[in-house]
Amino acid sequence: SAVISQKPSRDICQRGTSLTIQCQVDSQVTMMFWYRQQPGQSLTLIATANQGSEATYESGFVIDKFPISRPNLTFSTLTVSNMSPEDSSIYLCSVGETGLLIKQYFGPGTRLTVT
Amino acid sequence: AQTVTQSQPEMSVQEAETVTLSCTYDTSESDYYLFWYKQPPSRQMILVIRQEAYKQQNATENRFSVNFQKAAKSFSLKISDSQLGDAAMYFCAYRRGNTGGFKTIFGAGTRLFVKA
Repeated sequence: SAVISQKPSRDICQRGTSLTIQCQVDSQVTMMFWYRQQPGQSLTLIATANQGSEATYESGFVIDKFPISRPNLTFSTLTVSNMSPEDSSIYLCSVGETGLLIKQYFGPGTRLTVT
Repeated sequence: AQTVTQSQPEMSVQEAETVTLSCTYDTSESDYYLFWYKQPPSRQMILVIRQEAYKQQNATENRFSVNFQKAAKSFSLKISDSQLGDAAMYFCAYRRGNTGGFKTIFGAGTRLFVKA
């Protein structure tokens, strides 16, 4: 199994600022994903981050708002840009292995509050 | 588009009793996977059980079992001998088969309360 850590675990930010969330995995993985979980709601996929290529964004999410980096097979960052209170959510990193496509692991999440 | 529906926002069960969480889904695919995830207050998503659509036999993991009705597109989770540690948010999830990418679609979740 993959062990995932995220930094920060939580943050309170002012509107108009940006926050970068880090995701570190203890093993090399092919596919990394970023999800958003708004208060009391389910998980929504923001984008898929593959090493060596641009992230693929889901409908309703754009690169200017949520730029993603994937410099290697164990690390990724998600930036929430020009934040507004509507961005207050939990952001979760997730990983999957193409050799074991039915296994998907999740990080502990980053709780973001925008005031 | 695929959808996952959990019609029970909250459920409650007495410790040691059995509870069933409902999930229905909609897809035109024949190759897919279904999952139940548990999210305790710590927020860590934990895979409880998974079912491959091509398997007729219902998956079982210790006290957790599913009732997979492919024709009805139903995928319920049964928790037997409920324990206080089972209290959490439970998400039903769907993912297309290996040729369909890796996007997982989650239901809205069911919050399970376990009473001592």
